[in-house]
Amino acid sequence: AQSVTQPDIHITVSEGASLELRCNYSYGATPYLFWYVQSPGQGLQLLLKYFSGDTLVQGIKGFEAEFKRSQSSFNLRKPSVHWSDAAEYFCAVGGTTDSWGKLQFGAGTQVVVTP
Amino acid sequence: DVKVTQSSRYLVKRTGEKVFLECVQDMDHENMFWYRQDPGLGLRLIYFSYDVKMKEKGDIPEGYSVSREKKERFSLILESASTNQTSMYLCASETGLNYGYTFGSGTRLTVV
Repeated sequence: AQSVTQPDIHITVSEGASLELRCNYSYGATPYLFWYVQSPGQGLQLLLKYFSGDTLVQGIKGFEAEFKRSQSSFNLRKPSVHWSDAAEYFCAVGGTTDSWGKLQFGAGTQVVVTP
Repeated sequence: DVKVTQSSRYLVKRTGEKVFLECVQDMDHENMFWYRQDPGLGLRLIYFSYDVKMKEKGDIPEGYSVSREKKERFSLILESASTNQTSMYLCASETGLNYGYTFGSGTRLTVV
């Protein structure tokens, strides 16, 4: 069955430290890959996406993600987090044969930033 | 910017009531979606629509129906609300190209 896994439900990181959020997918072919962020009380905002080409993708707010086909992973990174990065982060996949523009989301990772 | 507006931010309904959640987008997008968001489960697709009067079931359609009479409006209907439908509901519209999604701010529904 197709699936998207975010192994970390909750991560606590100090302000100024680096952050890495993990995402693994299980699909027959390489899907389209996305990272979204949801701040409290808000809808989802797209951070970055990967369709093809360069496997290191730059996004907004200083985030980047790396696609690794051999590991079926698309991990999100930020070198130095700010207090405003506290939010919930969702990995999503699309582009499978029957997707009709649908996205399948992981369970999310809640990020807490400490002073 | 494209806007997706969900009519209610918070909603409290009683068990057995018929509930309508409304979503309007202002950019002529073809595709519209209703997701349900629960802690530890992420977002799960309830229904989607790729054209007026067209609808397709998502992963968890049971207990829900939808209506799309006009391109800009996509309504989610809970025929008889139950407590296990207490959740955050997110509407999204999409251009039909390259997964250009825009999400609404969500409706937090509590069924008592």
